[in-house]
Parts: sequence; structure tokens; C-alpha cells
Amino acid sequence: QTVVTQEPSLTVSPGGTVTLTCASSTGAVTNAYYPNWFQQKPGQAPRALIYSTSNKYSWTPARFSGSLLGGKAALTLSGVQPEDEADYYCLLYYGGAQGVFGGGTKVTVL
Amino acid sequence: QVQLQESGPGLVKPSQTLSLTCTVSGDSINSAHYYWNWIRQPAGKGLEWVGRTHTSGSTYNPSLKSRVTISVDTSKNQFSLKLNSVTAADTAVYYCASLGTFSIWGQGTMVTVSS
Repeated sequence: QTVVTQEPSLTVSPGGTVTLTCASSTGAVTNAYYPNWFQQKPGQAPRALIYSTSNKYSWTPARFSGSLLGGKAALTLSGVQPEDEADYYCLLYYGGAQGVFGGGTKVTVL
Repeated sequence: QVQLQESGPGLVKPSQTLSLTCTVSGDSINSAHYYWNWIRQPAGKGLEWVGRTHTSGSTYNPSLKSRVTISVDTSKNQFSLKLNSVTAADTAVYYCASLGTFSIWGQGTMVTVSS
């Protein structure tokens, strides 16, 4: 069974920078996995931030960026704001069609 | 602006079939732009991809594949989820969503499996 692994939790200071990663049990993550990133706040539906590794939506704040880093997908938050405190999930596609979510990273802004 | 709305029973008995519908408004469900997904989230836990359908076909989570069907009703601009032989482990908030280039999520609907 394919497993996608994220850091369970990360803490960052306001104005700081934090990088979340997304690893695959099958090996290095590449663009062929079309990494997606989502933000979820308590009681809300998830909101998409990044698709296909690094592409942003019109609503994605400029401080969020996606990339590949050391064989993993990565989401970097630069100049973190208090409202960025949330759970973040990555989604990888296997064979271009079968999706697997990571377990999520809880980001605390402190 | 495309919007999604889930509907269906909030309570399903064990061993029965969970059936949910997602109504698409603002565009045609037949558009090749969209990949229509079902995603679920048990209380206090992470997201689980259930499956998706597209004009090119449907794919499912291997752990659910034997029990799940996603289909499209073009006349009603809806897509649906059927999950057979449910147990308490299937209790979750179920979301319908388009993912990828065009990302749209429904608000989610809570489904409880209990007798």
C-alpha cells in the first residue's frame, strides 16, 4: 500500500519561513505525481493552494510556493501570517490517476 | 462560477449502501476540464481520496475499490458515490470536489454509519 508522509506538526514564528514536505513510499516525488497542496482550517472544507507541483490559483497568497526538494514535494510559506495557522495536506497522483493524500501537517504560528 | 453541493442521507445502517450525490452548477459536468472527485474525512483525522471520474473514465482508491462506484448523470448535471457494505469505519464527512487546474469543493456532508 502506497503511503504519503508529511511532518505531523511544525511551529513557525510570525513573519518567519517554514517548509512542509511530502514524501512517497515508492521513491522520489517528481512532477509526474502532480503534487497538490491544500489548506484546511477547523470546521471548514479544504482549500486548494497549489497544483502540479508549483502552480498557484488566483486566490493563493503570494507567500505560498510549491516545489520539489530533495526527492519530495514541498510547500514553503514565507512571511508567515497568523491566519496561516491550519492543517496542510499534500496529494500525489500515482499512474496519473490514483490519488493518495498525506497525513497532514499541523502548522502552528507562535 | 462553478459550485458543488453534496446531498444524501446522513445516517446509514451497517452493511447497507451509502449513496451521495454532488450537484454541479455553473458549468457542464461533461466538460473535459474537470476531474470529479469524492474525498472523505473521519472526525479528527486526515483526508482520504475515495475516487474520481472524468470523461476518460473512473479510478478508485485500491482499499475501497471493491465497494465503491462513482457515476455521472449528465441529464441532472450530477455525479454520485455509492459505497457498499458500509461499517462504522466509513463514518466521515464526505466532500465532492474538482481537483487540479480547476479546484472547487463542496461544503461536505456528514455521514454516520450506525444501527
